[in-house]
Amino acid sequence: AQSVSQHNHHVILSEAASLELGCNYSYGGTVNLFWYVQYPGQHLQLLLKYFSGDPLVKGIKGFEAEFIKSKFSFNLRKPSVQWSDTAEYFCAVNPTGRRALTFGSGTRLQVQP
Amino acid sequence: SAVISQKPSRDICQRGTSLTIQCQVDSQVTMMFWYRQQPGQSLTLIATANQGSEATYESGFVIDKFPISRPNLTFSTLTVSNMSPEDSSIYLCSARDRLYEQYFGPGTRLTVT
Repeated sequence: AQSVSQHNHHVILSEAASLELGCNYSYGGTVNLFWYVQYPGQHLQLLLKYFSGDPLVKGIKGFEAEFIKSKFSFNLRKPSVQWSDTAEYFCAVNPTGRRALTFGSGTRLQVQP
Repeated sequence: SAVISQKPSRDICQRGTSLTIQCQVDSQVTMMFWYRQQPGQSLTLIATANQGSEATYESGFVIDKFPISRPNLTFSTLTVSNMSPEDSSIYLCSARDRLYEQYFGPGTRLTVT
């Protein structure tokens, strides 16, 4: 079945550590890719998106993601996390022809001061 | 960007009753969707709300249980009918603009007793 996979369910890091969260999808063809963040008690916010062009995309708050087509991956990175990055992170995919985003299971990031 | 508001923000309902959730977008959008998010879990698409016609439901969701209306481009309602405790969840309204960015409302937290 077509799906979006986030293999890291719960990640605990210390402040200033580097972050990489994995996202893989199984859709063939062209896809639009997104990362969303949900801070505790808040609604989903868009971190960054990839539609086409440069596979390395930069988003808000120092986050970036790299689209590797051959690996069907769109991993999220941040060189140095802060305590305020504690949140749930969701990868989402919009395969061409479908109407709505399909979400991965999410990764809970906990940053310890 | 689009700003989405939902009413009510939360409710506690008795088994067997129905609740209608309203969603208002502050700008014209091309698509509107309804998702469900179980506590600590990812988002599951319920349906796409189509303007002036019947909604398009995902597998596992039916119109009799989750009737949806979208009378114009910026407003939609979702009704959760004949509720049971298994319907306890967060219900999220979402909208996509012409740039294919998808925005989310703050959610309606429903508890069924």
